[in-house]
Amino acid sequence: DAGVTQSPTHLIKTRGQQVTLRCSPKSGHDTVSWYQQALGQGPQFIFQYYEEEERQRGNFPDRFSGHQFPNYSSELNVNALLLGDSALYLCASSGGASLADTQYFGPGTRLTVL
Amino acid sequence: AQSVAQPEDQVNVAEGNPLTVKCTYSVSGNPYLFWYVQYPNRGLQFLLKYITGDNLVKGSYGFEAEFNKSQTSFHLKKPSALVSDSALYFCAVSAYSGAGSYQLTFGKGTKLSVIP
Repeated sequence: DAGVTQSPTHLIKTRGQQVTLRCSPKSGHDTVSWYQQALGQGPQFIFQYYEEEERQRGNFPDRFSGHQFPNYSSELNVNALLLGDSALYLCASSGGASLADTQYFGPGTRLTVL
Repeated sequence: AQSVAQPEDQVNVAEGNPLTVKCTYSVSGNPYLFWYVQYPNRGLQFLLKYITGDNLVKGSYGFEAEFNKSQTSFHLKKPSALVSDSALYFCAVSAYSGAGSYQLTFGKGTKLSVIP
């Protein structure tokens, strides 16, 4: 049973650039959520996708956007990168479209902005 | 606004001794409570979840957690610690935030070190 997968593992970008991160959910899950985990902090919710629509959003600027495809996989896009966007970006999937449902996390993408 | 506090940045325990990692929360309404574990350079692994009912929740790898409504706490416990339990532990709370949505908030994490 395949778990949540993310790509790439690591990424280095410079300020002002744009980045796209990818996620495939756990088998049988149709809901994907994205989180930002800064160094020494817990994950912070960015947004959730269900039925190819953004269902819920955390306190992140519009520079953060996403997409969900018909096969339930998802992308996170960040435009105009800032140094403060350096973090571990985690994708999680769940079997229900609620943040009360258990989130199953992928290994993350480490983004470094120089 | 809901919040989660993990009052200890680090917990040290000797191998074979019982361990406790503390968590308190603040929400409006009924909480769903979670514990996750994170190993270095890895994502979060789900350990256990409290929904309702029995205040003692049993989870993966011999971990359990006790829900205490009056103290708004959800401490993680294990009777006998293993060196392999050394990792970063996160408590999280989800509660209804209105308009059909739930909000999910994580604590800052507690680093557990089990000393051989």
